[in-house]
Amino acid sequence: GNSVTQMEGPVTLSEEAFLTINCTYTATGYPSLFWYVQYPGEGLQLLLKATKADDKGSNKGFEATYRKETTSFHLEKGSVQVSDSAVYFCALIYNQGGKLIFGQGTELSVKP
Amino acid sequence: DAGVIQSPRHEVTEMGQEVTLRCKPISGHNSLFWYRQTMMRGLELLIYFNNNVPIDDSGMPEDRFSAKMPNASFSTLKIQPSEPRDSAVYFCASSLNRVYEQYFGPGTRLTVT
Repeated sequence: GNSVTQMEGPVTLSEEAFLTINCTYTATGYPSLFWYVQYPGEGLQLLLKATKADDKGSNKGFEATYRKETTSFHLEKGSVQVSDSAVYFCALIYNQGGKLIFGQGTELSVKP
Repeated sequence: DAGVIQSPRHEVTEMGQEVTLRCKPISGHNSLFWYRQTMMRGLELLIYFNNNVPIDDSGMPEDRFSAKMPNASFSTLKIQPSEPRDSAVYFCASSLNRVYEQYFGPGTRLTVT
């Protein structure tokens, strides 16, 4: 079945460090891929998306590229801030009528 | 514009009691989702409504759980009787046409003792 695997957290970085959170997926066909972010005490928010191979999603300095050959959608940011501390969820949807399938989430903690 | 509204934000109850969680989706949205989040199991989709009709309830854990959406602006998730293993954060989310672009409420933290 369709599934998403993320690197385990927590990930602890210093402010201005480079961030990578790995995400790989298993799916039949070509799903659409997403990153959601959950700030402390809040619900999830859509951060970025990519709907086909080689697409790059970007928002708030975060980027992720849909790599079909490696079935990956790694999240990157060049310089993290304390305010980026949150839990990040990778997700996929196989078709418009399907369900969002979430990874287990990766907690990011950024220290000043 | 108000986001998804959930009530209560926190609920503590004793095993065997009935619990009702409430959700008001964003006005105009036509899909509504109930999720459960725990450390052990992560984020699980419980049930999904489209135009007030349940489309997929395969994630509802057992008969103790039930969900209704009597109109486009209100939904409930009921657990009767509650058990300690139901302790979790329950999220409601809504979307307009795009299933992937869901707007989440702040969640209800349920503790069953």
